[in-house]
Amino acid sequence: DADVTQTPRNRITKTGKRIMLECSQTKGHDRMYWYRQDPGLGLRLIYYSFDVKDINKGEISDGYSVSRQAQAKFSLSLESAIPNQTALYFCATSDLIAGGPIEQFFGPGTRLTVL
Amino acid sequence: DQQVKQNSPSLSVQEGRISILNCDYTNSMFDYFLWYKKYPAEGPTFLISISSIKDKNEDGRFTVFLNKSAKHLSLHIVPSQPGDSAVYFCAASALGQGAQKLVFGQGTRLTINP
Repeated sequence: DADVTQTPRNRITKTGKRIMLECSQTKGHDRMYWYRQDPGLGLRLIYYSFDVKDINKGEISDGYSVSRQAQAKFSLSLESAIPNQTALYFCATSDLIAGGPIEQFFGPGTRLTVL
Repeated sequence: DQQVKQNSPSLSVQEGRISILNCDYTNSMFDYFLWYKKYPAEGPTFLISISSIKDKNEDGRFTVFLNKSAKHLSLHIVPSQPGDSAVYFCAASALGQGAQKLVFGQGTRLTINP
């Protein structure tokens, strides 16, 4: 079974709809992240959480919100989807190692299309 | 402002030859660098990393070189194999500043031709 799972894998929705993307992990990591990938722009950080009570905005948080329901679950919501939120969304996790490597482990991605 | 830049969107290399992917950064606080590989319909997977205290790190066919004075790193793949065809992202972090966030480049699509 995959260590980091994302649901749904594909979603088509209409402008103005509320959408939730879910991420679950079995790696036991404290830190979780949401990124979006756009052609020519690489991966950009939307939100990140270093534990259940910690939520931080990333580079491009406007129009998004998150919820860390448990150590293993981190959800991303688009309250009112707009077409320029069409992108590939990735969840990632990392372990807490003070001063140590910061390798992040990624889920398979969710392809979101907003019409 | 793009702090990590991969200026080549694509690269085509013949099988068996060396592939060299480049990455430049602007933030002098970055002290830890990673390369990720991404296949279609999959998430990025970690490939190799390097700390700023080193100038080279090698893992099998993959070697990463870091030139701190030029704020430049490169990934060498030798010999290149068809399975290496993927998008490669470089990423950087200011680990010494307590930041565990990664800043990614735009990616380079590598195609290995038989």
